[in-house]
Amino acid sequence: DIQLTQSPSFLAASVGDRVTITCRASQAISSFLAWYQQRPGNAPKLLIFGASTLQSGVPSRFSGSGSGTEFTLTISSLQPEDFATYYCQQLNSYPRTFGQGTKLEIK
Amino acid sequence: QVQLQQWGAGLLKPSETLSLTCAVQGGSFTAYGWTWIRQPPGKGLEWISEIYYTGSTTYSPSLKSRVTMSVDTSKKQFSLQLRSVTAADTAVYYCARALRGLSARMDHWGQGTLVTVST
Repeated sequence: DIQLTQSPSFLAASVGDRVTITCRASQAISSFLAWYQQRPGNAPKLLIFGASTLQSGVPSRFSGSGSGTEFTLTISSLQPEDFATYYCQQLNSYPRTFGQGTKLEIK
Repeated sequence: QVQLQQWGAGLLKPSETLSLTCAVQGGSFTAYGWTWIRQPPGKGLEWISEIYYTGSTTYSPSLKSRVTMSVDTSKKQFSLQLRSVTAADTAVYYCARALRGLSARMDHWGQGTLVTVST
């Protein structure tokens, strides 16, 4: 199985901040990486796929980059609704593994 | 608009079989894969399995011996069975639509079903 490691696991930030979350894969996965946002009590919501393609309807303050084994999710200017947990997922091979999550909290 | 509506028993005893069904409303049923993912309380996401309308399945190696997925194309539904459950199977179970290839992703999710395994 491909292991995904996210860093940091917890992040405290303020409204308006720029934040970056990193996802590292245990082996190369090309650009087969997606990012999801999950608010408490809700199903995950797709933000980005193909490492950098923004899902329709997702605000442009979200962006993704990377290929191979290292990927980043950046939120350019945090909004109150962005405080949530973020997961990366690899779709290069089965099983489709997830990172352990990054919880973004209000400072 | 695509919607996934899921249902199934929420309380099981150890050794029983978990059974969940997900119905797809809107969009094509044959152009996508259909998946199950679970999330133990307070923990992260775990991919369980995927099925296509042909009945072709892929299972997580860690659960493969206990999992069966099935599909009913006429009803646009797919199902999950997990046998011999224990407390470790307590989780919110989600169904989701999956795409493969260069645009691989899980773009629509069900609302989630909390399944609790307890004596």
